[in-house]
Amino acid sequence: NAGVTQTPKFRVLKTGQSMTLLCAQDMNHEYMYWYRQDPGMGLRLIHYSVGEGTTAKGEVPDGYNVSRLKKQNFLLGLESAAPSQTSVYFCASSPKQVIQYFGAGTRLSVL
Amino acid sequence: AQTVTQSQPEMSVQEAETVTLSCTYDTSENNYYLFWYKQPPSRQMILVIRQEAYKQQNATENRFSVNFQKAAKSFSLKISDSQLGDTAMYFCAFMKPLPYNQGGKLIFGQGTELSVKP
Repeated sequence: NAGVTQTPKFRVLKTGQSMTLLCAQDMNHEYMYWYRQDPGMGLRLIHYSVGEGTTAKGEVPDGYNVSRLKKQNFLLGLESAAPSQTSVYFCASSPKQVIQYFGAGTRLSVL
Repeated sequence: AQTVTQSQPEMSVQEAETVTLSCTYDTSENNYYLFWYKQPPSRQMILVIRQEAYKQQNATENRFSVNFQKAAKSFSLKISDSQLGDTAMYFCAFMKPLPYNQGGKLIFGQGTELSVKP
């Protein structure tokens, strides 16, 4: 079982560049989430989706966009990367609201 | 808004001993869920244990147990017979059940870094 897979695992960007992080889950879960983790802080919710074709803003959505065109995939986009977006990004999915299953994370550095 | 506070940034324990990690939260809700997640050096987030607020009985999973004090809004994690593999960052998290179309949003504490020493 692959579970929740995030690609890439590491990435270095220059300020102003764009990129897309991919999250794929093979558990047929309805809900998917994107979080970021910064030093000294817990994970904070960026965006989430309650089903194919739906997205909603979380706690820290500014500077990010998301899409859920297929049920199994949830994409996180940075249109113009900024140093403040240097972080570790986690994707999660859940069949219902309660238990969330996390991917291994993507470490992003913006120079 | 709900908040979760972990007041112990770092803790250490000797192998085979017992350690307790503290967590307090603030909410006006009566029905909610509480979780402890473990994040080892591999960075993977692993669910350790969960507690439903409507249940008075404390949750237990093998060597892991919680002390849930609803009135005090306290949710501590006890690890018995600590093992080297328990070395990790531990996060306390809160979730308020929402209507179907609003998702289940986790609110995390700052984390406690636990070191188990041989």
